[in-house]
Amino acid sequence: RKEVEQDPGPFNVPEGATVAFNCTYSNSASQSFFWYRQDCRKEPKLLMSVYSSGNEDGRFTAQLNRASQYISLLIRDSKLSDSATYLCVVNSSYGGATNKLIFGTGTLLAVQP
Amino acid sequence: DTGVSQDPRHKITKRGQNVTFRCDPISEHNRLYWYRQTLGQGPEFLTYFQNEAQLEKSRLLSDRFSAERPKGSFSTLEIQRTEQGDSAMYLCASSRTQGLQETQYFGPGTRLLVL
Repeated sequence: RKEVEQDPGPFNVPEGATVAFNCTYSNSASQSFFWYRQDCRKEPKLLMSVYSSGNEDGRFTAQLNRASQYISLLIRDSKLSDSATYLCVVNSSYGGATNKLIFGTGTLLAVQP
Repeated sequence: DTGVSQDPRHKITKRGQNVTFRCDPISEHNRLYWYRQTLGQGPEFLTYFQNEAQLEKSRLLSDRFSAERPKGSFSTLEIQRTEQGDSAMYLCASSRTQGLQETQYFGPGTRLLVL
């Protein structure tokens, strides 16, 4: 079983739609969580960190459920420019020195005009 | 731009040749990571430096791979006797020690194709 699992998609949605991505992680000792965005043939860029209380940044809302080991990302009023791959990311340091990131395979979002 | 630079951006080589990639992190960042990404997958951790010390290496990093960060600034990743399975995007990321919520900033990557 992969350490971080997400639906690869693609998700094809019209402009203005609300879309939700889900992700599960296997190690209950994981301590920090992120969503990264990756455009085609580009590097990943941090979209937002995910906190236990849930957090929002404009049209983006991230939630974490530690009991279910589940992370979500909600995008409201989607724009054409939101088309990208969204990577669910878990920090696997488990209190150690290395903050190496464990990435899911990514979910491809295509927003249609 | 994140400020992390990588060189070259693309490399085509023949099987059996050696290749070396360079990463220049953001100047005040003491941590440097190398990841590898293949098509349809997320990046996978390869190795990590804190200043000049290489503190962790993934099992993915075979003996043909070596990484250095001699003065705690730029880093190099060398692949000896390349194989077709080494074809991938090699990503470098840097960060500053900030506990668990530290942000890793990625460079544009070096895309390697082994023929």
